Amino acid sequence: NAGVTQTPKFQVLKTGQSMTLQCAQDMNHEYMSWYRQDPGMGLRLIHYSVGAGITDQGEVPNGYNVSRSTTEDFPLRLLSAAPSQTSVYFCASSFTRDSYEQYFGPGTRLTVT
Amino acid sequence: EDKVVQSPLSLVVHEGDTVTLNCSYEVTNFRSLLWYKQEKKAPTFLFMLTSSGIEKKSGRLSSILDKKELFSILNITATQTGDSAVYLCAVGVNTNAGKSTFGDGTTLTVKP
Repeated sequence: NAGVTQTPKFQVLKTGQSMTLQCAQDMNHEYMSWYRQDPGMGLRLIHYSVGAGITDQGEVPNGYNVSRSTTEDFPLRLLSAAPSQTSVYFCASSFTRDSYEQYFGPGTRLTVT
Repeated sequence: EDKVVQSPLSLVVHEGDTVTLNCSYEVTNFRSLLWYKQEKKAPTFLFMLTSSGIEKKSGRLSSILDKKELFSILNITATQTGDSAVYLCAVGVNTNAGKSTFGDGTTLTVKP
């Protein structure tokens, strides 16, 4: 049981490039979410999904897209990277949208130059 | 707009000290308050509180919620260097999203 996995661990992009951050969980959790964490700050919700085929925006969705074609996978796409997207990105999951205890992946540290 | 405020922002203590971390919130449709510990990596779950006045305890850590005054405290007794971390407070709200709003965290440093 691997829990929540994320790839890559580190990434450097140039402004304007696009990329996909991968997230997978093997716990059969319905609810999955993406957060970004900037230095000295808490976690801000980017997008979330309450089940396969259902996604919605969080607090800071601009510049990011998500999809949820399976229960296990929830990739986050950066459409055209900007320096303001330099951050640490965490994927998390929980049993259902009403199960507030979340399990977090190890994070992806992204730098945009 | 939902708001979660943690204090202090940072704290430096010596091993053996007792610390109290604070979390206040203003949210609509409150469901639960959660504490996480983050040690340079992913946050890991500590406690979830849903009822006022009932203390949750795990070893040297304990937490309590006051839903009337809208705050929670996390106590750590006999601190150890391994307790050094960022402690995050999050509030779960009852919406279609079931989403949590996080505070900015308290950075605790425990010196030997």
